[in-house]
Amino acid sequence: NAGVTQTPKFQVLKTGQSMTLQCAQDMNHNSMYWYRQDPGMGLRLIYYSASEGTTDKGEVPNGYNVSRLNKREFSLRLESAAPSQTSVYFCASSEVGSPTEAFFGQGTRLTVV
Amino acid sequence: DQQVKQNSPSLSVQEGRISILNCDYTNSMFDYFLWYKKYPAEGPTFLISISSIKDKNEDGRFTVFLNKSAKHLSLHIVPSQPGDSAVYFCAAANFGNEKLTFGTGTRLTIIP
Repeated sequence: NAGVTQTPKFQVLKTGQSMTLQCAQDMNHNSMYWYRQDPGMGLRLIYYSASEGTTDKGEVPNGYNVSRLNKREFSLRLESAAPSQTSVYFCASSEVGSPTEAFFGQGTRLTVV
Repeated sequence: DQQVKQNSPSLSVQEGRISILNCDYTNSMFDYFLWYKKYPAEGPTFLISISSIKDKNEDGRFTVFLNKSAKHLSLHIVPSQPGDSAVYFCAAANFGNEKLTFGTGTRLTIIP
């Protein structure tokens, strides 16, 4: 029962470096999401994808890009990391068409120094 | 503008007693509400949900109450157990839109 798998689990970047966070789900869900969690801010939506080939901005998209590679995979890219992007990132997936519960990965803890 | 608010960052409850976690929302378009539980170093996991056509939903020890006129929902855990110690997030959405808007979370500590 893999569910939603995120890699890596931890990462330290220098300011200005780039990296891609990977996410894959095996539940045949159409919708996938990227959230970030910061102290006192809860979970904020960065980008989401309602289906393969479509993506849309969430609440905090600046500084990020996404790719919905296929139905299973949804990646998040930081082109030029900034200390403000230090956060815990969660990928999630859900069935399309209704706000049913989303299933989350274990998270990626990213530190930008 | 925080559309979903959890005004209590933390809550401590004796084991066996009732835990009540509260959540307020401002967007009247929300018509589906969920509670998630999160342990350290893990992703959030779904706990219980309620649609706006109901005012109560139960699942074992967990009950969610919805007061639409007050734009308020609460999660009751009875009886509270040590394994319930976690951060609880309230989330809201509207049908036809899969995006969830989360609150800031409440850290629940159950005291043995």
